[in-house]
Amino acid sequence: QKEVEQNSGPLSVPEGAIASLNCTYSDRGSQSFFWYRQYSGKSPELIMFIYSNGDKEDGRFTAQLNKASQYVSLLIRDSQPSDSATYLCAVGGDNAGNNRKLIWGLGTSLAVNP
Amino acid sequence: EAGVTQFPSHSVIEKGQTVTLRCDPISGHDNLYWYRRVMGKEIKFLLHFVKESKQDESGMPNNRFLAERTGGTYSTLKVQPAELEDSGVYFCASSPDSGNYNSPLHFGNGTRLTVT
Repeated sequence: QKEVEQNSGPLSVPEGAIASLNCTYSDRGSQSFFWYRQYSGKSPELIMFIYSNGDKEDGRFTAQLNKASQYVSLLIRDSQPSDSATYLCAVGGDNAGNNRKLIWGLGTSLAVNP
Repeated sequence: EAGVTQFPSHSVIEKGQTVTLRCDPISGHDNLYWYRRVMGKEIKFLLHFVKESKQDESGMPNNRFLAERTGGTYSTLKVQPAELEDSGVYFCASSPDSGNYNSPLHFGNGTRLTVT
C-alpha cells in the first residue's frame, strides 16, 4: 500500500516567519511530487511541483526533495495570514509519465498569526 | 477561461437512492480525473479519462459506481445504490495532458455527498 505521511498540525507560525511543512512517502519508485494548498471549502490549488533531488524555488515558496530519504518539504518564507490553509502533499507515479494518479497525504493545517 | 465546474455542490440522499454527479472540465482538456475524499481520510484517486476513454479506473470502489464521459466533454459519476460509506467530497480535475509536469491539474470545487 503506497502511503504519503504528513503531520496534521496545526502548525502555527507568526507573520513573517518561515513555515516548514514536511512529507514522507513509501513508494521509492515515485517520480513526481506536488504541494497543493486548500482553503476551507475550496478546491486544492497547486503551489509547487518537483521531480529532481534538491531545491526548487518559486517566490516565497521552496520545495525540497530527497529521494534517498523519501522526503519532500515545502518552505514558506515571510509567511502571511493569507497563507493560512491546509497544505496537501501528493506523490505521483510512474515512469510512463502518468503523474496525475496521485497518492495524497492527509494535509497539514497551517495558521499564520498576525 | 472558465474553470472546472461540478454540479451539484451538495447532495443529501438516503441509503439506497441513486445520485449522479457532473463535472465540466476546462474546454480542451482531454484528461479528466475523479477523486474522492472521505471525512478523516486522504484524497483518493478514482479514475482517469482521456477524452471519452477510461484510461485507468483502478480506484473505483465497486460496481455501484459508474463513470461516463460521452463525447469526451463533460463527465458523470453515478452511484447506485448509494451506501453510507459513499459520503464524502468528490473532486473532479482536468489537465491538457497527463505527462507534462508543467501542466497542472485544475480542480473543481467538489460535490459534497451525504448519504443518510
